[in-house]
Amino acid sequence: EPEVTQTPSHQVTQMGQEVILRCVPISNHLYFYWYRQILGQKVEFLVSFYNNEISEKSEIFDDQFSVERPDGSNFTLKIRSTKLEDSAMYFCASSGDRGRPQETQYFGPGTRLLVL
Amino acid sequence: GENVEQHPSTLSVQEGDSAVIKCTYSDSASNYFPWYKQELGKRPQLIIDIRSNVGEKKDQRIAVTLNKTAKHFSLHITETQPEDSAVYFCAASKRDDKIIFGKGTRLHILP
Repeated sequence: EPEVTQTPSHQVTQMGQEVILRCVPISNHLYFYWYRQILGQKVEFLVSFYNNEISEKSEIFDDQFSVERPDGSNFTLKIRSTKLEDSAMYFCASSGDRGRPQETQYFGPGTRLLVL
Repeated sequence: GENVEQHPSTLSVQEGDSAVIKCTYSDSASNYFPWYKQELGKRPQLIIDIRSNVGEKKDQRIAVTLNKTAKHFSLHITETQPEDSAVYFCAASKRDDKIIFGKGTRLHILP
């Protein structure tokens, strides 16, 4: 069964550094999402992406964040200048086959980001 | 804004007993309600979902109910087993839209 994959599984960075989190959504899916989960808390929506542009973003997704789909398979989340409070698990998700949009979102295994 | 409330935050049940987790949502336009199970350090795994045109759905030991009028939905797990121990998240969504998660219920199955 196809799965969403994410790299790296863990990332440790210094405050102020840039990080890029990578995701490979399920092929043929059209809708892509990033969520984050601070340790012990709920999963929070960051951004959705469709047709090569952002569909919606949350208040968390400020100017320090950006997303990109540089080719036909990867979907990246960049944090330009990391802050301590960016430490969290970041999940990528995808949904929606062509011509048959689906609500069901499939989550990747996550990238645990630690900002020191 | 859109919000999903989930209760209880922690639930302990004896193995073999039933567990019930309840959620409410605020956005009346929500029409899709997935439930995710998350084990420690792992991704959220979809275990069951229900759409707004259905009032109840069952899959083996798991069932979900939806009351659109009251904006309530619930997860029922019967004959609980040790492997059911995890954090369970309810969520609400509209088609092709972001998922709004509840705060989670930590379910402990006691031997």
